[in-house]
Amino acid sequence: AQTVTQSQPEMSVQEAETVTLSCTYDTSESDYYLFWYKQPPSRQMILVIRQEAYKQQNATENRFSVNFQKAAKSFSLKISDSQLGDAAMYFCAYRSEDDMRFGAGTRLTVKP
Amino acid sequence: SQTIHQWPATLVQPVGSPLSLECTVEGTSNPNLYWYRQAAGRGLQLLFYSVGIGQISSEVPQNLSASRPQDRQFILSSKKLLLSDSGFYLCAWSPGAGANVLTFGAGSRLTVL
Repeated sequence: AQTVTQSQPEMSVQEAETVTLSCTYDTSESDYYLFWYKQPPSRQMILVIRQEAYKQQNATENRFSVNFQKAAKSFSLKISDSQLGDAAMYFCAYRSEDDMRFGAGTRLTVKP
Repeated sequence: SQTIHQWPATLVQPVGSPLSLECTVEGTSNPNLYWYRQAAGRGLQLLFYSVGIGQISSEVPQNLSASRPQDRQFILSSKKLLLSDSGFYLCAWSPGAGANVLTFGAGSRLTVL
């Protein structure tokens, strides 16, 4: 079964600085999709960014970008110009067929 | 536009009592439907998913069950709750497999006493 590992239970960043959240996954599939979700204190899950494994170009959404290393099975999230509203739990997720697997999450604190 | 509704938002139940959490999706047809559980301070554990009416895939053997009586309705049940069933339960849907994003409901917080 596919597994998703987030090795950083907690991270902190100074407002306006840049932070990178790590994620690795294990799969034997060649075609799959990777996601980062954000869960603020409201507990509502919000999609941050998505990456198709067949695309070599790293996905970018405004201040959020990923570093996708397919051979290393690594999918890190970079948040630039961090804002107070970025404080949340961040979950990395993997999907190949119908189901989606999540990592244990990284709690991001943003310091003013 | 599509919306997902999940209820109840909060539930406190005694050990050994039954459980029924309901999830419905509007504005789409034949969605993939999912139930996840999030224990305190932990990640999301996939419990069940369904790709069609009456089709349920179970990921973790436990005292929970799921049913999909209608195309856009997904129900999570238990006949007898355990203390370990406490947690935050999230329903989600997607328009299919692959690159399609999962959209989540607001969640149901279950406390078993």
